[in-house]
Amino acid sequence: EEKLEESGGGLARPGGSLRLSCSVSGFSLSSYEMIWARQAPGQGLEWISYITQTGETIYSADSVKGRFTISRDNAKNSLYLQMNNLRVEDTALYYCARDRGLRLGFDPWGQGTLVIVSS
Amino acid sequence: SYHVTQPPSVSVAPGKTATINCGGNNIGTKYLHWYQQKPGRAPVLIIYSYKYRPSGIPERFSGHVSGNTATLTISRVEAGDEAGYFCQVWDSSSVHYLFGPGTQLTVL
Repeated sequence: EEKLEESGGGLARPGGSLRLSCSVSGFSLSSYEMIWARQAPGQGLEWISYITQTGETIYSADSVKGRFTISRDNAKNSLYLQMNNLRVEDTALYYCARDRGLRLGFDPWGQGTLVIVSS
Repeated sequence: SYHVTQPPSVSVAPGKTATINCGGNNIGTKYLHWYQQKPGRAPVLIIYSYKYRPSGIPERFSGHVSGNTATLTISRVEAGDEAGYFCQVWDSSSVHYLFGPGTQLTVL
């Protein structure tokens, strides 16, 4: 079974940092592009970052550019999101998902890890 | 930057057909996909490339695109279809993925 499991969420202060991890199983991470998305409480989905198989190309949403960094360790089958200079509006459930390509969409998704930014 | 629109809510009686639209300029060129999200659950891909169903998705779910509107159609709606539905596109000009604001389907 192909699975993704996020971890690393929690409570952070404004201006603080967190590092999220996404551990994959049932498929080889090195073969796929990956993304992070988030969902604020009661709100819709927001794509925030994308990374190619080797990490050579990264795209990020304007809302997180310069603050969040996506990375990966294919040997550990893990994807990461380093979140710096956190803001109250970054409070959300953070999902990782496999990007199967422009024509195939995001599938599967992890269950998410909750980040709360509050003073 | 590119924008997509969706109606905030759609209501339908069981057994009837629900249609959910996703609008945007030249949306037929944006590699559009549809996701279903039930309360407390992660999103699930239900339609890719406008009209194709992944394995395991019932045939009741279908999609098409015409002009500036992509449409998700759910036939013979069941209570279990009650969920949020999101369209997602690729905007090559900004090299960003985008999700539509989502449509809450209520089964009456």
